[in-house]
Amino acid sequence: GQQLNQSPQSMFIQEGEDVSMNCTSSSIFNTWLWYKQDPGEGPVLLIALYKAGELTSNGRLTAQFGITRKDSFLNISASIPSDVGIYFCAGSHTDKLIFGTGTRLQVFP
Amino acid sequence: EAQVTQNPRYLITVTGKKLTVTCSQNMNHEYMSWYRQDPGLGLRQIYYSMNVEVTDKGDVPEGYKVSRKEKRNFPLILESPSPNQTSLYFCASSFSGSGANVLTFGAGSRLTVL
Repeated sequence: GQQLNQSPQSMFIQEGEDVSMNCTSSSIFNTWLWYKQDPGEGPVLLIALYKAGELTSNGRLTAQFGITRKDSFLNISASIPSDVGIYFCAGSHTDKLIFGTGTRLQVFP
Repeated sequence: EAQVTQNPRYLITVTGKKLTVTCSQNMNHEYMSWYRQDPGLGLRQIYYSMNVEVTDKGDVPEGYKVSRKEKRNFPLILESPSPNQTSLYFCASSFSGSGANVLTFGAGSRLTVL
C-alpha cells in the first residue's frame, strides 16, 4: 500500500532548539493530519489541515499544508523534554487515510 | 471518559495458537480500524469497518480476521499466528470513514509470536 515519505527518520536535539519535519507524497491530498505518539501510548492528534496553503498553530507547534497539496510541514519551537515521541503525518484524498513512516524525536536536557 | 480500549496490552504466544485482541469504543463511532506499527514502516492498516457488519481489507490483511457484530466492538483475530506478526497493534475509531475525520487510538497491544 501507499505510504508517505516522512523525514527525518529520527532527530536528537537539545532542549530549547527548534524542530522541523516534513512529509511528501506523490499523490494530492485534501487533508493533512499530524499525530504524536508518546512512549507506550497510541497516537494523538496535534493539528489538522484542510486547505492548501493553510498554516495552523497549536501552542509551540505550527503545521502547514503545502501549496502543491503533496506535502506538509511541522515545526516545534523551543523544544522541551515532553516533546519526546514519534510524530506521524497522515494524508487523505477520499476515504483513505495514509500514514507516514514517523519521525522519532529525542530531546536532551 | 471517551476512549478506545484494547486488551491485552501485552501478549507473548507461540506459533499457531489462535488469539484475539479485543477493541471497544464508547463514543458511538461508526468507523473502526486496526493498524500495525513496525519500526521504519509507520502505521499500516490491517482491516477497517465502516459500520456494523461491514468490514474491508486494508493494506496488510493477510493472516488476520475481524468481525463487527456490534457498533462498539471490533476484535482482531489471528487464527494461526506466525513470528512475522510480532508487532505493536493499534485499534482506532472515528465518527465516519471519511479521511478527514480524526481518529481516536487505543493505547496499543504489543504482541510477540515465538
